[in-house]
Amino acid sequence: RKEVEQDPGPFNVPEGATVAFNCTYSNSASQSFFWYRQDCRKEPKLLMSVYSSGNEDGRFTAQLNRASQYISLLIRDSKLSDSATYLCVVNPGGGGFKTIFGAGTRLFVKA
Amino acid sequence: NAGVTQTPKFQVLKTGQSMTLQCAQDMNHNSMYWYRQDPGMGLRLIYYSASEGTTDKGEVPNGYNVSRLNKREFSLRLESAAPSQTSVYFCASSDIRNTEAFFGQGTRLTVV
Repeated sequence: RKEVEQDPGPFNVPEGATVAFNCTYSNSASQSFFWYRQDCRKEPKLLMSVYSSGNEDGRFTAQLNRASQYISLLIRDSKLSDSATYLCVVNPGGGGFKTIFGAGTRLFVKA
Repeated sequence: NAGVTQTPKFQVLKTGQSMTLQCAQDMNHNSMYWYRQDPGMGLRLIYYSASEGTTDKGEVPNGYNVSRLNKREFSLRLESAAPSQTSVYFCASSDIRNTEAFFGQGTRLTVV
C-alpha cells in the first residue's frame, strides 16, 4: 500500500461545479497535512494547510479525518483557472520536512 | 523575488555522463531538498539537508550525491547517468518550522 494515495482522475467538471478530492495516508502518526497545486510543467505550490479543525480559504475547504486517515479538498464554484493537478502532502513528523507527496489528482474545468 | 533558482532548466545526457544540478535560495531557509517527479509516481525525495553542513538520504538516493555548499546552495550530482534517471528534478527549501516548501522551476533531464 502506498503511504499516500490519491485518485489520479482526471476529474472533468463544468464551470461552477463543486468537486471533491480525497486522499488517504497510511501512517497514523502523521502530523502535518497539506494540499499543493501543480500547473502543467510547473513547480508545486502550497494551496493550503489542513488542520484538525478544518480550513477554509474562499472557495476551497480542506478537512482532516484522523480516525479514517484521510484528508479532503472541496472546491466550490469551479473556475477555468482551477484546472491543475492537486497534490496531497503528508509530513510524518519526527523532524525535518520529510514529506510524502501523493501522485496527484488532475482536474479539468470546462466552459 | 527570486525564491528558489535551479539550473539548468533542460538537459540531455548520454548514458554514463555526469552532471551537477545547481540550486540556490535567497529566503534564508535552513532546510533544502531534492525531489524527482516521474509520471504517476508523485514527487520522491532524493536527499535533503536540514542545515548547512548536513545531508541525509531520502527515499531514492541511489545514483546521486549532494553537496550543501553553504546555507544558500544545495547541488545534486549524477556521477554516471542512466536512462532510469530521466525525470523532472525539483529543488525546494523550507524554514525551520517546516510548514511550507518552496520549489524551484524544475530541471527536465533526459538520459539517452
